[in-house]
Amino acid sequence: GQQVMQIPQYQHVQEGEDFTTYCNSSTTLSNIQWYKQRPGGHPVFLIQLVKSGEVKKQKRLTFQFGEAKKNSSLHITATQTTDVGTYFCAGNSGGSNYKLTFGKGTLLTVNP
Amino acid sequence: ETGVTQTPRHLVMGMTNKKSLKCEQHLGHNAMYWYKQSAKKPLELMFVYNFKEQTENNSVPSRFSPECPNSSHLFLHLHTLQPEDSALYLCASSPEPGTQYFGPGTRLLVL
Repeated sequence: GQQVMQIPQYQHVQEGEDFTTYCNSSTTLSNIQWYKQRPGGHPVFLIQLVKSGEVKKQKRLTFQFGEAKKNSSLHITATQTTDVGTYFCAGNSGGSNYKLTFGKGTLLTVNP
Repeated sequence: ETGVTQTPRHLVMGMTNKKSLKCEQHLGHNAMYWYKQSAKKPLELMFVYNFKEQTENNSVPSRFSPECPNSSHLFLHLHTLQPEDSALYLCASSPEPGTQYFGPGTRLLVL
């Protein structure tokens, strides 16, 4: 079945440093989504990418979808302590399929 | 913040107990989901309901029994669970294939 790999599993940075997490799917995706889960919280939807090569920005966060629609990345510029949490990517194979396949997530910790 | 509510938020049960988890969404979405989140594992999809019909059962053991009486409510009935079933159980809803809105979860401990 479809697999979604995410690296790194953990990332510790100093406040102000940049951070990137990468996501790779074993199959071509219809779309990919990113979620953030704060410690003790639940996943919260951040963004959805649909088009090949798409790039979207949300303030300090930049999301990219690969040309082959099999990989994606999330980049945070100048991290802040509020960025702490686990970032998950989730792939959807499209059509009427409601199933999302989640990566294991990247836990980001930020040293103030 | 969330239009998806879950009760109870915490649950401790013995292996011989029967309990139910409840999820309610106030977003008018068509689809609802149950996920299991264990330490060091990806979010595991358990069940998907679309317009009250089950469209996905991800090889979940029969000791977990879902029920979806309408598009706004979803239950997960639990019986004779094992300690390895201890996890955070998350409910989610979505308006279309893709974007999911999660509830706060029920943290379950099986003794």
